[in-house]
Amino acid sequence: AQSVTQLGSHVSVSEGALVLLRCNYSSSVPPYLFWYVQYPNQGLQLLLKYTSAATLVKGINGFEAEFKKSETSFHLTKPSAHMSDAAEYFCAVGGGNKLTFGTGTQLKVEL
Amino acid sequence: GAVVSQHPSRVICKSGTSVKIECRSLDFQATTMFWYRQFPKQSLMLMATSNEGSKATYEQGVEKDKFLINHASLTLSTLTVTSAHPEDSSFYICSAREAEDRGSHQYFGPGTRLTVT
Repeated sequence: AQSVTQLGSHVSVSEGALVLLRCNYSSSVPPYLFWYVQYPNQGLQLLLKYTSAATLVKGINGFEAEFKKSETSFHLTKPSAHMSDAAEYFCAVGGGNKLTFGTGTQLKVEL
Repeated sequence: GAVVSQHPSRVICKSGTSVKIECRSLDFQATTMFWYRQFPKQSLMLMATSNEGSKATYEQGVEKDKFLINHASLTLSTLTVTSAHPEDSSFYICSAREAEDRGSHQYFGPGTRLTVT
């Protein structure tokens, strides 16, 4: 069985500040891990994915995430937030045929 | 990159009628497509997994007679909500996986907003 926990349903940062969105997973097999972004009334867009290669994964729009097996974590970071980063972010774990999503984190970016 | 489209993007229907939503992979073949439903400010909940040429696999609690899924080709899957009721109002999102993808990555469509009045 797989599960994902995203700590913090809402995160607010100032423009230019560090973005940190937390994700912890549970998986009985080596996981594939993903971060997706969703803008209002749109589908999900892949930010990045971990598939057992490098533990530090770089994605689009300046985002990156680090896979830490000992902590079962896959936190998403961006050094400097931009107003256009305001959106809902979902962490997901994949295995076999399915993706299991976390409950999402709404990122708000303030001036 | 791979693109998945959905049609319509928004639909309003009367209670008791049926609505069909199409999901297409535009530039790749998708042996497997997935249908999700998302309530406001909530995560995506997998409804069913659709494999080309075979019956869909429904998640526990999803009525297969109410949510009919057809995956007749490698680029098209349809979800029909039969005898829709207001509680079926939701955002429905499909996704597709490339035939040889080993990373379980799914490409998502833009979603369909269904409102049942």
